Amino acid sequence: GDSVTQMEGPVTLSEEAFLTINCTYTATGYPSLFWYVQYPGEGLQLLLKATKADDKGSNKGFEATYRKETTSFHLEKGSVQVSDSAVYFCAQASNTGNQFYFGTGTSLTVIP
Amino acid sequence: NAGVTQTPKFQVLKTGQSMTLQCAQDMNHNSMYWYRQDPGMGLRLIYYSASEGTTDKGEVPNGYNVSRLNKREFSLRLESAAPSQTSVYFCASNRSNSPLHFGNGTRLTVT
Repeated sequence: GDSVTQMEGPVTLSEEAFLTINCTYTATGYPSLFWYVQYPGEGLQLLLKATKADDKGSNKGFEATYRKETTSFHLEKGSVQVSDSAVYFCAQASNTGNQFYFGTGTSLTVIP
Repeated sequence: NAGVTQTPKFQVLKTGQSMTLQCAQDMNHNSMYWYRQDPGMGLRLIYYSASEGTTDKGEVPNGYNVSRLNKREFSLRLESAAPSQTSVYFCASNRSNSPLHFGNGTRLTVT
């Protein structure tokens, strides 16, 4: 069935380091893909999305490219900040748009 | 614009007690969802409602019931709470083929 697998954490980086969080998906058809971010004590917020192959989603310096050939949607940021410390979730939506599948989340801590 | 509002924020129950988690959205979304979040397991879908008047089971529905009261409100009921239901519960909503919008969660402890 449909599923999402993402890199396990926790991840600890120094400020201004490069970030990659890996995400791969299994799906029938061509799902929409998302990255959500969760700050402590809050709900998940949409960070970026891509709806078809080769689309690049971007927001707040984060980027992810929908790669159909490798079924991947890796999250990257060139220079992380302390304020990026959060838990990041990769997710896909089924073709019907009513079923969402989430990865287990990756905790990121950025130290000054 | 409040978005998705969940109440209460925190709750402690004893085993066997019942409670209802409330959720309301003001974005005129058709679909609403209840998820639970547990360490190392990500988010798991409990129930969802694709439109007013319909509800469907998700991945982990046992021990829960839901009511789509109207287009705005979708409640989750625990009839007889168990320690395994200790979790953080999130309500979410969306329009078809659009991203989910989440509430801030209800942190439930069952002793």
